[in-house]
Amino acid sequence: DAKTTQPTSMDCAEGRAANLPCNHSTISGNEYVYWYRQIHSQGPQYIIHGLKNNETNEMASLIITEDRKSSTLILPHATLRDTAVYYCIVRGYTGTASKLTFGTGTRLQVTL
Amino acid sequence: GAVVSQHPSWVICKSGTSVKIECRSLDFQATTMFWYRQFPKQSLMLMATSNEGSKATYEQGVEKDKFLINHASLTLSTLTVTSAHPEDSSFYICSARAGGYNEQYFGPGTRLTVT
Repeated sequence: DAKTTQPTSMDCAEGRAANLPCNHSTISGNEYVYWYRQIHSQGPQYIIHGLKNNETNEMASLIITEDRKSSTLILPHATLRDTAVYYCIVRGYTGTASKLTFGTGTRLQVTL
Repeated sequence: GAVVSQHPSWVICKSGTSVKIECRSLDFQATTMFWYRQFPKQSLMLMATSNEGSKATYEQGVEKDKFLINHASLTLSTLTVTSAHPEDSSFYICSARAGGYNEQYFGPGTRLTVT
C-alpha cells in the first residue's frame, strides 16, 4: 500500500517553478523519499531521492521538512516536456520495504 | 542513469497464445528485477520480484502459473504471459536494481494487446 498522499493534478506555466507536495506522515526513520515521473506511455524516470537533508540535482530539488512528514519536489524552470505524472514514494532498503509501491501520483500539466 | 531495455515495445497476439517479454539491464548487473503492470489511467502495480538465479516472488493476486518469470542472468529477465486473454491486455514495465542500496531503473514498457 502506498504511504504517500499527493494532489491529483497541478498546472504550471512554462518557465515558472513547479512545486509538487507530498505527505508521508507515517514514514519510518530509515525510509527514503523517492520521486519518479512518468511521461505518457513510457516507463517511470528516476528524479531524485533523499532521507532528511534537502537534495538537488540537475533535474530538481527535494525539500524535506524537519519532521520528515512531508516533502516538496521543485522543478525550477518547468518546460512543456516536464508534463507528466509525478510519483512520490517512500522506500526502505530491506525486504518488502525495499519495493517501490506507486500511488496515484500528481499529474502536472505545464502550459504556455 | 542506468539503462534498462525491453523487447518488444508492443505486441499483438491472439487469445490463447503465449507471449514473452524480455527485460535487459544494458550497463549494470541487476541482482533484482521487478515486473509491473499498468492499465489505462491507473498507476503501476507490482506483479513480482525476482532475484538472479532464484524463483520469483509474486504479489498477492498475481497468478504465478500464468505470468512466468525467469531471471537466469544478471542482465536478463523474461516475463511470459501464458494463454493470454483480452483482460491481460496492458502495459508491462520491468525495472532493475543493482542491489538493495542502489537505485531502481525502469524500462520503456511493452504494450500487450490480446485480441
